[in-house]
Amino acid sequence: RKEVEQDPGPFNVPEGATVAFNCTYSNSASQSFFWYRQDCRKEPKLLMSVYSSGNEDGRFTAQLNRASQYISLLIRDSKLSDSATYLCVVIGGQAGGSYIPTFGRGTSLIVHP
Amino acid sequence: NAGVMQNPRHLVRRRGQEARLRCSPMKGHSHVYWYRQLPEEGLKFMVYLQKENIIDESGMPKERFSAEFPKEGPSILRIQQVVRGDSAAYFCASSPRQSGVGEQYFGPGTRLTVT
Repeated sequence: RKEVEQDPGPFNVPEGATVAFNCTYSNSASQSFFWYRQDCRKEPKLLMSVYSSGNEDGRFTAQLNRASQYISLLIRDSKLSDSATYLCVVIGGQAGGSYIPTFGRGTSLIVHP
Repeated sequence: NAGVMQNPRHLVRRRGQEARLRCSPMKGHSHVYWYRQLPEEGLKFMVYLQKENIIDESGMPKERFSAEFPKEGPSILRIQQVVRGDSAAYFCASSPRQSGVGEQYFGPGTRLTVT
């Protein structure tokens, strides 16, 4: 089983739709979780951290389910500009206390008019 | 506050040559990470450095690859005797503290092409 798994998609949705992605992780000792966004051939950019209590930033909501070992990202009222690849990042839990981030391969979102 | 800077943005090398990739972290950031991304692949961790120290190089190939982050100047990722399989985008990221509690800020990447 891969350390961090994401459905590669693509998710094709119309403007205004609500879309959700999940990301599963294998190491139950993982400590920190993030969502990044990567536009084609550009650098990843931090979208939001994921807290145990869940967090919301405008149209974006992130949640953590430790029992089932997954995190989710919900995007409401999708915009054309939301089209990108969304990367799940999991940190911590490795032997020796290393804090090396593990990136998922990303989920591609395409928002169409 | 300037972001993470990487240069060159594009680098073409013939097989057997050396490639040097440079990364200047954000001001005030003392933690640098290097990643490699192959086409249609995810980001793969290579090495984590602090000033003058390699903290974790578990993701870096044992041969031909080396990294440093000197007291003064940028972090350097060096690839000796490049092969076609080294062609990829190499991203550097910086963080103000250990990534377990902080976020990472990425540079624009260096796209290495080996001919």
